[in-house]
Order: sequence, then C-alpha cells, then structure tokens
Amino acid sequence: ILNVEQSPQSLHVQEGDSTNFTCSFPSSNFYALHWYRWETAKSPEALFVMTLNGDEKKKGRISATLNTKEGYSYLYIKGSQPEDSATYLCASVILTGGGNKLTFGTGTQLKVEL
Amino acid sequence: DAGVTQSPTHLIKTRGQQVTLRCSPISGHKSVSWYQQVLGQGPQFIFQYYEKEERGRGNFPDRFSARQFPNYSSELNVNALLLGDSALYLCASSPSGTSGKSSYNEQFFGPGTRLTVL
Repeated sequence: ILNVEQSPQSLHVQEGDSTNFTCSFPSSNFYALHWYRWETAKSPEALFVMTLNGDEKKKGRISATLNTKEGYSYLYIKGSQPEDSATYLCASVILTGGGNKLTFGTGTQLKVEL
Repeated sequence: DAGVTQSPTHLIKTRGQQVTLRCSPISGHKSVSWYQQVLGQGPQFIFQYYEKEERGRGNFPDRFSARQFPNYSSELNVNALLLGDSALYLCASSPSGTSGKSSYNEQFFGPGTRLTVL
C-alpha cells in the first residue's frame, strides 16, 4: 500500500444499524493515524488519534481499532443515527522528519436514513 | 473560545490572477497547516508552518507559497491561477508542529475557503 485508501466509498444504512469502514495505510515508517468526521458545510472534526499497534479507542457509539503491522484501521459506529451522516476521513502520519503532515484517504461518505 | 477562522469564505478568480487566503489559528496554537481538497478526493497537504518557519511542504508547484506571522496567523498565496486550482482550501492548527510526539496532536480545521477559478 503506497497511499491511504478507504472503503467503502459510500454507505447507506438505516437508523439503528451498526456499520464499519476500513482505512488502509502504508505500514512502513508509520507514526500515527487520525480519524476525522466531516459534516457538510462544517469543518473536519477530529475523532481519534491512534499510535500503537492494537490500539482501541472509543467515543460514545464510535470506536476504532488499529493494526500497524498490516496497515489498517477500522472505524465502527454502533446504532447509527441520522446525525452520524457525514464523511469519515482517515489520515496517516509517516515519520519523515518533514513536520506533522497528514496524508488523507478519500473518505467514506455515510448516510443514515430514518 | 474561537476555533480556526479562515477568510474569505468564497472567492472567484480568473486564470492568471493571484490569490491570498488567510487563516487564524486557535489561540495558543503555534502550528498552521494548509490543505487543498478537490471534489472527490481527500485533503492534500500543501504546507506546514511552525513558529514562522516552514516545516513541511507537499507536492505543489512553486506558484504556491505561504508564510506565518508573529501572531501565528498564516497566509497562503497562489500565483498564476489555473483552472485546476479550483478547490476548497483548508487551514488547520495544532499546538506544536515539530516531529516527535507533536505528530500525535490532532489538527483543528477551519471551515475552508472555496476558490473557484474561471
């Protein structure tokens, strides 16, 4: 994996469904992985910053896991609500000495319907 | 507390013109980064500044330049605009910006400046 890739590109679920999506990133020189939530017409909002292999983080109904050896992270949303509708972006930080550069994936667009 | 602010919100320019975008970080944040987001893609890193020094540069031509002021606000300049420069330009601030543990810092994004080049 050379770039940060996210799947699926978009997802439509019903209210109450649980869902998950994937972020794949280069595992060499890994330093950190960020998850952001971006609602339409708003600023991207940080959800998690993950650094250690095996990390699991949780914020309310949203949780994330990290596997740095194989280069992937999962984001889970339990009991999706309409207000969860947003684009979820992941971004990797690679140790290059060139500052705090985030390399973003293209995002997963989540639509939660009533 | 005010978040990251950017101005202007929207901007329309013609090819060949020059544009300056402005960003004010969260109070106390010393690092500012700029990103370009083209429709259908994730944000692409352009620059990072920390304590008025450039600390990182993405794969963008020399038409793109930036600077950071003593109050940590920042400007992004783009010369000789091309149609392909049409995008949402995001600014993000973080408490620090050097390599090391600061890379763990989440970045706080502004609402962006939507630039349209005709």
